[in-house]
Amino acid sequence: KAGVTQTPRYLIKTRGQQVTLSCSPISGHRSVSWYQQTPGQGLQFLFEYFSETQRNKGNFPGRFSGRQFSNSRSEMNVSTLELGDSALYLCASSLDSGEETQYFGPGTRLLVL
Amino acid sequence: AQSVTQPDIHITVSEGASLELRCNYSYGATPYLFWYVQSPGQGLQLLLKYFSGDTLVQGIKGFEAEFKRSQSSFNLRKPSVHWSDAAEYFCAVGDQAGTALIFGKGTTLSVSS
Repeated sequence: KAGVTQTPRYLIKTRGQQVTLSCSPISGHRSVSWYQQTPGQGLQFLFEYFSETQRNKGNFPGRFSGRQFSNSRSEMNVSTLELGDSALYLCASSLDSGEETQYFGPGTRLLVL
Repeated sequence: AQSVTQPDIHITVSEGASLELRCNYSYGATPYLFWYVQSPGQGLQLLLKYFSGDTLVQGIKGFEAEFKRSQSSFNLRKPSVHWSDAAEYFCAVGDQAGTALIFGKGTTLSVSS
């Protein structure tokens, strides 16, 4: 079974631009979560989607948004990029059938110049 | 506040020696505990998890962890470290859904020959 895939793997943007990252969960998984990883703040939860609805949200500004499609694929968008948004963005999927385990993708590394 | 503390930022262990990585958590509800490993440029791989039952849990690659509720700890151990174990290790806590995980800042393990 294929793992979680994320595209693109690397991205360079400039301040003020916006960016969209994509995540394809493991087949059959219905929950997708996003995390931001930076050297200073570590791993922080952004949000979780289940059945096309945002079910949980971390403490990030409204510039960070996401969505989930009917096939469980998810995208996250960051508008008006700031230098501090440079990070590794990790997507994780899980079955959502009880006591869950999240499986992580390789991440998208975003550099904002 | 909910949090995870990994007191050791960096640990160096000789190959073949035993390993213990510390993790302490603060969580209001019943904690679901996880250890993940991240190799350079990679996503997170689940080593083991604790949901309930036996407080000593076995994971992949010969790792084990012990949940001690009285000490709010979930330390990771391995009896004999291999050079391939060099990586960054993250302890995390979450609720039963296991999605909005709270991560520690990580411990970097170096293995010397």
